[in-house]
Amino acid sequence: GAGVSQTPSNKVTEKGKYVELRCDPISGHTALYWYRQSLGQGPEFLIYFQGTGAADDSGLPNDRFFAVRPEGSVSTLKIQRTERGDSAVYLCASSLGPAGELFFGEGSRLTVL
Amino acid sequence: QKEVEQDPGPLSVPEGAIVSLNCTYSNSAFQYFMWYRQYSRKGPELLMYTYSSGNKEDGRFTAQVDKSSKYISLFIRDSQPSDSATYLCAMSESGGGADGLTFGKGTHLIIQP
Repeated sequence: GAGVSQTPSNKVTEKGKYVELRCDPISGHTALYWYRQSLGQGPEFLIYFQGTGAADDSGLPNDRFFAVRPEGSVSTLKIQRTERGDSAVYLCASSLGPAGELFFGEGSRLTVL
Repeated sequence: QKEVEQDPGPLSVPEGAIVSLNCTYSNSAFQYFMWYRQYSRKGPELLMYTYSSGNKEDGRFTAQVDKSSKYISLFIRDSQPSDSATYLCAMSESGGGADGLTFGKGTHLIIQP
């Protein structure tokens, strides 16, 4: 596709459940980022991949959050034992390289009941 | 105190007016300054990108950075209803997204026809 694709666009789950959010970056983009945007706030950095490796995961809030990018393209953000405070829009972005412009997807809206 | 402060608004102005949006920040290591526009339920899209202090103009948009005051601005001339959106300032130390962009909360702008 032409842009960053994120699925699902909406996810409603119950407290304590496991959730996976998927990001398909722009073809050829080696850098991939996850951000979280809570209601009324700006996006907050979670993790940055260069290729297959997580170059910076300093924004992950705790060990319930984990992300992978096994083949250097699609990435999955995994959240274990979800809590109501995890409710937010999870945004994925990609860029040609670490110094390139970030292109964001439309986000996955997670609601934890 | 957050690293980046931005008035969330809403800011409502009549069509054709000049709009002034701004952010203040505390981290003197920020060197790269960006403005993103975010429509409802969409991802942010890059509008302006500036390195260090100075002005940059692109069509109806002008970005200003004053590093001595830790203050950045975005001006929109001849505002249009289609400019109604949330405007997010973002900053980084090294450019691109490699060290994680730090965003403001965003200002909700409404242009009245």
